[in-house]
Amino acid sequence: DTEVTQTPKHLVMGMTNKKSLKCEQHMGHRAMYWYKQKAKKPPELMFVYSYEKLSINESVPSRFSPECPNSSLLNLHLHALQPEDSALYLCASSQGGQRYNEQFFGPGTRLTVL
Amino acid sequence: GDSVTQMEGPVTLSEEAFLTINCTYTATGYPSLFWYVQYPGEGLQLLLKATKADDKGSNKGFEATYRKETTSFHLEKGSVQVSDSAVYFCALRANFGNEKLTFGTGTRLTIIP
Repeated sequence: DTEVTQTPKHLVMGMTNKKSLKCEQHMGHRAMYWYKQKAKKPPELMFVYSYEKLSINESVPSRFSPECPNSSLLNLHLHALQPEDSALYLCASSQGGQRYNEQFFGPGTRLTVL
Repeated sequence: GDSVTQMEGPVTLSEEAFLTINCTYTATGYPSLFWYVQYPGEGLQLLLKATKADDKGSNKGFEATYRKETTSFHLEKGSVQVSDSAVYFCALRANFGNEKLTFGTGTRLTIIP
Protein backbone atom coordinates (compact mmCIF):
# COMPACT_ATOMS: atom_id res chain seq x y z
CA ASP A 1 0.00 0.00 0.00
CA THR A 2 1.72 3.18 -1.19
CA GLU A 3 -1.16 5.51 -0.62
CA VAL A 4 -1.90 8.42 1.66
CA THR A 5 -5.63 8.86 2.16
CA GLN A 6 -7.42 11.99 3.33
CA THR A 7 -10.97 12.59 4.44
CA PRO A 8 -13.13 14.39 3.73
CA LYS A 9 -12.45 15.34 0.12
CA HIS A 10 -14.41 18.57 0.45
CA LEU A 11 -15.44 20.52 3.55
CA VAL A 12 -17.52 23.66 3.94
CA MET A 13 -17.65 25.22 7.38
CA GLY A 14 -18.71 28.40 9.07
CA MET A 15 -16.39 30.55 11.12
CA THR A 16 -17.85 29.25 14.38
CA ASN A 17 -17.70 25.55 13.51
CA LYS A 18 -15.28 22.93 14.75
CA LYS A 19 -14.21 20.29 12.27
CA SER A 20 -11.35 17.85 11.74
CA LEU A 21 -9.36 16.68 8.75
CA LYS A 22 -8.01 13.14 8.76
CA CYS A 23 -5.01 11.56 7.10
CA GLU A 24 -3.88 7.94 7.09
CA GLN A 25 -0.91 6.02 5.70
CA HIS A 26 0.07 2.36 5.99
CA MET A 27 3.58 2.53 4.55
CA GLY A 28 5.29 2.43 7.92
CA HIS A 29 6.45 6.01 7.48
CA ARG A 30 7.67 7.79 10.60
CA ALA A 31 7.19 11.38 9.47
CA MET A 32 3.88 13.01 8.58
CA TYR A 33 3.15 16.52 7.37
CA TRP A 34 0.37 19.03 6.93
CA TYR A 35 0.54 21.55 4.09
CA LYS A 36 -1.74 24.37 3.03
CA GLN A 37 -1.99 25.18 -0.67
CA LYS A 38 -3.68 28.26 -2.07
CA ALA A 39 -4.66 28.44 -5.73
CA LYS A 40 -1.74 28.75 -8.13
CA LYS A 41 0.79 28.55 -5.30
CA PRO A 42 3.13 25.84 -4.05
CA PRO A 43 2.27 23.99 -0.85
CA GLU A 44 3.23 25.76 2.38
CA LEU A 45 4.39 23.60 5.24
CA MET A 46 2.31 23.88 8.42
CA PHE A 47 3.35 21.04 10.73
CA VAL A 48 5.71 18.06 10.82
CA TYR A 49 5.38 15.05 13.09
CA SER A 50 8.38 12.81 13.47
CA TYR A 51 7.95 9.54 15.39
CA GLU A 52 4.54 10.82 16.58
CA LYS A 53 6.04 13.97 18.11
CA LEU A 54 5.51 17.46 16.76
CA SER A 55 8.90 18.51 15.39
CA ILE A 56 8.05 21.55 13.28
CA ASN A 57 5.31 24.17 13.67
CA GLU A 58 5.68 26.87 11.06
CA SER A 59 4.12 29.55 13.27
CA VAL A 60 0.64 28.38 12.39
CA PRO A 61 -2.27 30.16 14.16
CA SER A 62 -3.72 28.26 17.10
CA ARG A 63 -7.05 27.86 15.32
CA PHE A 64 -5.27 24.95 13.60
CA SER A 65 -4.44 22.14 16.02
CA PRO A 66 -2.61 19.02 14.80
CA GLU A 67 -2.77 15.64 16.45
CA CYS A 68 -0.93 12.39 15.77
CA PRO A 69 -2.79 9.58 17.61
CA ASN A 70 -0.45 6.90 16.25
CA SER A 71 2.17 6.41 13.57
CA SER A 72 -0.43 5.85 10.83
CA LEU A 73 -2.86 8.67 11.58
CA LEU A 74 -2.68 12.44 11.48
CA ASN A 75 -5.50 14.82 12.27
CA LEU A 76 -5.90 18.54 11.86
CA HIS A 77 -8.50 20.09 14.15
CA LEU A 78 -10.06 23.32 12.94
CA HIS A 79 -11.81 25.91 15.07
CA ALA A 80 -12.89 29.51 14.49
CA LEU A 81 -11.37 29.66 11.04
CA GLN A 82 -11.37 32.71 8.81
CA PRO A 83 -12.42 32.91 5.15
CA GLU A 84 -8.76 33.36 4.18
CA ASP A 85 -8.10 29.86 5.54
CA SER A 86 -10.00 28.45 2.56
CA ALA A 87 -7.47 26.31 0.67
CA LEU A 88 -6.46 22.79 -0.28
CA TYR A 89 -5.00 21.01 2.76
CA LEU A 90 -2.51 18.32 1.88
CA CYS A 91 -1.16 15.57 4.06
CA ALA A 92 2.12 13.83 3.28
CA SER A 93 4.30 11.14 4.77
CA SER A 94 7.89 9.98 4.40
CA GLN A 95 10.34 7.54 5.91
CA GLY A 96 11.86 10.49 7.74
CA GLY A 97 15.41 11.09 8.84
CA GLN A 98 17.19 10.62 5.50
CA ARG A 99 17.44 13.66 3.27
CA TYR A 100 16.65 11.78 0.09
CA ASN A 101 13.42 10.23 1.29
CA GLU A 102 10.64 11.61 -0.81
CA GLN A 103 7.33 12.70 0.61
CA PHE A 104 4.15 10.96 -0.54
CA PHE A 105 1.15 13.23 -0.75
CA GLY A 106 -2.53 12.55 -0.29
CA PRO A 107 -5.22 13.93 -2.62
CA GLY A 108 -6.05 16.75 -0.24
CA THR A 109 -9.12 18.21 1.45
CA ARG A 110 -10.57 21.27 -0.21
CA LEU A 111 -11.75 23.53 2.60
CA THR A 112 -14.12 26.44 2.19
CA VAL A 113 -14.74 28.73 5.14
CA LEU A 114 -17.87 30.86 4.90
CA GLY B 1 18.29 30.13 3.28
CA ASP B 2 17.37 27.42 0.80
CA SER B 3 15.42 28.41 -2.28
CA VAL B 4 14.22 27.03 -5.61
CA THR B 5 13.64 29.13 -8.72
CA GLN B 6 11.51 27.80 -11.57
CA MET B 7 10.88 29.27 -14.96
CA GLU B 8 7.80 31.41 -15.17
CA GLY B 9 4.70 29.88 -16.66
CA PRO B 10 2.31 29.17 -18.04
CA VAL B 11 3.89 27.08 -20.75
CA THR B 12 1.81 26.01 -23.75
CA LEU B 13 3.13 23.44 -26.22
CA SER B 14 1.76 21.37 -29.05
CA GLU B 15 1.55 17.60 -28.68
CA GLU B 16 4.85 15.82 -29.47
CA ALA B 17 6.90 18.97 -28.80
CA PHE B 18 10.07 18.92 -26.71
CA LEU B 19 9.69 20.16 -23.15
CA THR B 20 12.15 21.90 -20.88
CA ILE B 21 11.19 23.42 -17.54
CA ASN B 22 14.13 25.15 -15.88
CA CYS B 23 14.87 24.81 -12.19
CA THR B 24 17.80 26.24 -10.24
CA TYR B 25 18.41 26.07 -6.53
CA THR B 26 20.32 27.65 -3.68
CA ALA B 27 21.23 25.45 -0.73
CA THR B 28 24.12 24.68 1.55
CA GLY B 29 25.64 21.25 1.42
CA TYR B 30 24.25 18.55 -0.83
CA PRO B 31 20.48 18.70 -1.17
CA SER B 32 18.23 16.07 -2.68
CA LEU B 33 16.20 17.32 -5.62
CA PHE B 34 12.69 16.38 -6.70
CA TRP B 35 10.13 17.09 -9.38
CA TYR B 36 6.49 16.77 -8.33
CA VAL B 37 3.47 16.96 -10.63
CA GLN B 38 -0.02 18.10 -9.69
CA TYR B 39 -2.92 17.26 -11.97
CA PRO B 40 -6.08 19.37 -11.72
CA GLY B 41 -7.98 18.74 -8.49
CA GLU B 42 -5.39 16.33 -7.12
CA GLY B 43 -2.52 16.17 -4.67
CA LEU B 44 1.15 16.14 -5.60
CA GLN B 45 2.78 13.07 -7.12
CA LEU B 46 6.50 12.47 -7.13
CA LEU B 47 7.66 12.44 -10.74
CA LEU B 48 11.39 11.85 -10.25
CA LYS B 49 14.26 12.53 -7.90
CA ALA B 50 18.06 12.75 -7.72
CA THR B 51 20.10 12.55 -4.56
CA LYS B 52 23.66 13.44 -5.61
CA ALA B 53 25.59 15.32 -8.25
CA ASP B 54 25.33 13.93 -11.81
CA ASP B 55 22.45 11.62 -10.87
CA LYS B 56 19.73 11.44 -13.50
CA GLY B 57 16.18 10.88 -12.39
CA SER B 58 13.70 9.54 -14.92
CA ASN B 59 10.06 8.45 -15.03
CA LYS B 60 7.29 8.32 -17.65
CA GLY B 61 9.60 9.77 -20.31
CA PHE B 62 10.63 12.72 -18.12
CA GLU B 63 14.27 13.22 -17.15
CA ALA B 64 16.26 15.62 -14.99
CA THR B 65 19.98 15.66 -14.18
CA TYR B 66 21.43 17.00 -10.90
CA ARG B 67 24.03 19.56 -11.98
CA LYS B 68 25.97 20.82 -9.00
CA GLU B 69 28.23 23.09 -11.04
CA THR B 70 25.24 25.06 -12.32
CA THR B 71 22.95 24.30 -9.31
CA SER B 72 20.26 23.17 -11.72
CA PHE B 73 17.75 20.34 -12.12
CA HIS B 74 15.94 21.06 -15.38
CA LEU B 75 13.00 18.84 -16.35
CA GLU B 76 12.89 17.52 -19.93
CA LYS B 77 10.67 15.32 -22.04
CA GLY B 78 11.24 14.50 -25.66
CA SER B 79 7.62 14.30 -26.82
CA VAL B 80 4.81 15.63 -24.65
CA GLN B 81 1.23 14.39 -24.64
CA VAL B 82 -2.04 16.10 -23.78
CA SER B 83 -2.12 14.00 -20.59
CA ASP B 84 1.07 15.77 -19.40
CA SER B 85 -0.92 18.96 -18.84
CA ALA B 86 -0.45 19.75 -15.15
CA VAL B 87 1.49 21.95 -12.74
CA TYR B 88 5.10 20.92 -12.15
CA PHE B 89 6.97 21.77 -8.94
CA CYS B 90 10.71 21.56 -8.44
CA ALA B 91 11.70 20.98 -4.81
CA LEU B 92 14.73 20.38 -2.65
CA ARG B 93 15.37 18.80 0.70
CA ALA B 94 18.60 19.90 2.33
CA ASN B 95 20.73 18.19 4.95
CA PHE B 96 20.23 15.13 7.03
CA GLY B 97 17.37 15.35 9.53
CA ASN B 98 15.83 18.41 7.95
CA GLU B 99 12.28 17.34 7.19
CA LYS B 100 11.36 20.41 5.16
CA LEU B 101 10.79 20.45 1.43
CA THR B 102 11.45 23.77 -0.27
CA PHE B 103 9.28 24.21 -3.36
CA GLY B 104 9.59 26.37 -6.41
CA THR B 105 6.59 28.43 -7.47
CA GLY B 106 5.36 25.81 -9.93
CA THR B 107 5.04 25.86 -13.71
CA ARG B 108 1.68 25.30 -15.33
CA LEU B 109 2.00 23.25 -18.52
CA THR B 110 -0.74 23.00 -21.12
CA ILE B 111 -0.40 20.67 -24.11
CA ILE B 112 -2.67 21.30 -27.07
CA PRO B 113 -3.53 18.56 -29.57
